[in-house]
Amino acid sequence: KQEVTQIPAALSVPEGENLVLNCSFTDSAIYNLQWFRQDPGKGLTSLLLIQSSQREQTSGRLNASLDKSSGRSTLYIAASQPGDSATYLCARGSQGNLIFGKGTKLSVKP
Amino acid sequence: ETGVTQSPTHLIKTRGQQVTLRCSSQSGHNTVSWYQQALGQGPQFIFQYYREEENGRGNFPPRFSGLQFPNYSSELNVNALELDDSALYLCASSWTGGSGYTFGSGTRLTVV
Repeated sequence: KQEVTQIPAALSVPEGENLVLNCSFTDSAIYNLQWFRQDPGKGLTSLLLIQSSQREQTSGRLNASLDKSSGRSTLYIAASQPGDSATYLCARGSQGNLIFGKGTKLSVKP
Repeated sequence: ETGVTQSPTHLIKTRGQQVTLRCSSQSGHNTVSWYQQALGQGPQFIFQYYREEENGRGNFPPRFSGLQFPNYSSELNVNALELDDSALYLCASSWTGGSGYTFGSGTRLTVV
C-alpha cells in the first residue's frame, strides 16, 4: 500500500526561525512530489513541485528536496513569519492521482 | 490565466439526499480530479476524468459519480448521502504533461 507520512504533526516556532518539515513515502517509483499549503477551511495552494528527475526546487524562502532512494522529501522554510502559519501537506504523484500525507500544522508566534 | 473555481462554497444536506458539486478547470488543463478531505486528514482521491471519461478511481463506492464536459469543467454527484460524507470536497485540474495539480477552494458539505 502506498503511504505518505509527515512528521511532525504539529510544530510551533518563534518568528524568524528556520525550520524543516519532513515527508516520507513508500514506493520509490514516484512520478513527482508536490508541497501544498492549506489555511483553515480553505483549499490547497501549491508551493513547490519536484519532478522525479529533479533533486530540489526553490521559491523565495521555501526550498524542497527530494531523495527517491530514501523515500524522503523535506520542505525548508527560512526566516519564518506569522503569515506562514498554516497546514503544510506533501503529496506524491502516482499514476493519475496524488497521495497525501496528513499534514504538518505550523504555528509561527510573533 | 483563471484558476480552479468550485461551487457552491458551502452546502447542507439531509441524509439520503443527493448532491451535485461543480468545478471549472484552470485554463489549459485537460484533466480534472476530485478529492474528499475529512477534518484533520489529508485529501483522499475519489476519481479523475480525462477526455470526458473516468480514468482512475479511489476507494469510493459507486454512489460517488462524476462527469467531465467538453470545456473540461466537471461535476461530482453523490447519491444517498450518509453522515460520513460530511467533508471538504476539493477539485483539482492538471495537464497530462505533468505540470502538477491546481486546486480549487473546495465545497464544504455537511450532511445532517
